[in-house]
Amino acid sequence: EPEVTQTPSHQVTQMGQEVILRCVPISNHLYFYWYRQILGQKVEFLVSFYNNEISEKSEIFDDQFSVERPDGSNFTLKIRSTKLEDSAMYFCASRPTAGGNTGELFFGEGSRLTVL
Amino acid sequence: AQSVAQPEDQVNVAEGNPLTVKCTYSVSGNPYLFWYVQYPNRGLQFLLKYITGDNLVKGSYGFEAEFNKSQTSFHLKKPSALVSDSALYFCAVRPGWGSSNTGKLIFGQGTTLQVKP
Repeated sequence: EPEVTQTPSHQVTQMGQEVILRCVPISNHLYFYWYRQILGQKVEFLVSFYNNEISEKSEIFDDQFSVERPDGSNFTLKIRSTKLEDSAMYFCASRPTAGGNTGELFFGEGSRLTVL
Repeated sequence: AQSVAQPEDQVNVAEGNPLTVKCTYSVSGNPYLFWYVQYPNRGLQFLLKYITGDNLVKGSYGFEAEFNKSQTSFHLKKPSALVSDSALYFCAVRPGWGSSNTGKLIFGQGTTLQVKP
């Protein structure tokens, strides 16, 4: 069964360093998302991406964050200068075609980011 | 504003007993409602959704949920709980059609289900 894959599974970084989290969405999906979850708590929306541009972003997604789809398969989240409070589990999700906006999101297993 | 509330941080139930995990929502227009489950150190797995039609929807692993429009609720249920059902459960809502309708889901804070043998 197709799945969303994320790398790395765990990354430890020093405060102020840049981090790139990578995702390979399901191949025929058109909508992509990043969420984060701090310490097994609420799952918070960060950003949605469609047609090679951001379609919506939350207040969390400030200038330190950026997303990119550098090729036909990868979808990346970059944190320019990490802060302690960026420590969280980051989930990538994707959704299939635009025909019918009722589909569920398919989530990856997550990338755990630890900022020291 | 669109929101989801899960009033219980934790639900405890004995194996074999029925379980209910509560969810209420606030959304303009017709709601699209979802349940996801998260096992420790894993991603979110889709369980079921309500879009339209029959108020009782069935999903994976024997779970079902009942949509109640008058009470704006979408409680998750299972007739007979298993120890392996122990996990973190999230209710989610999709905002309705509009300029910001990007298909994102808004999640509740999650409910930990503990099933004891």
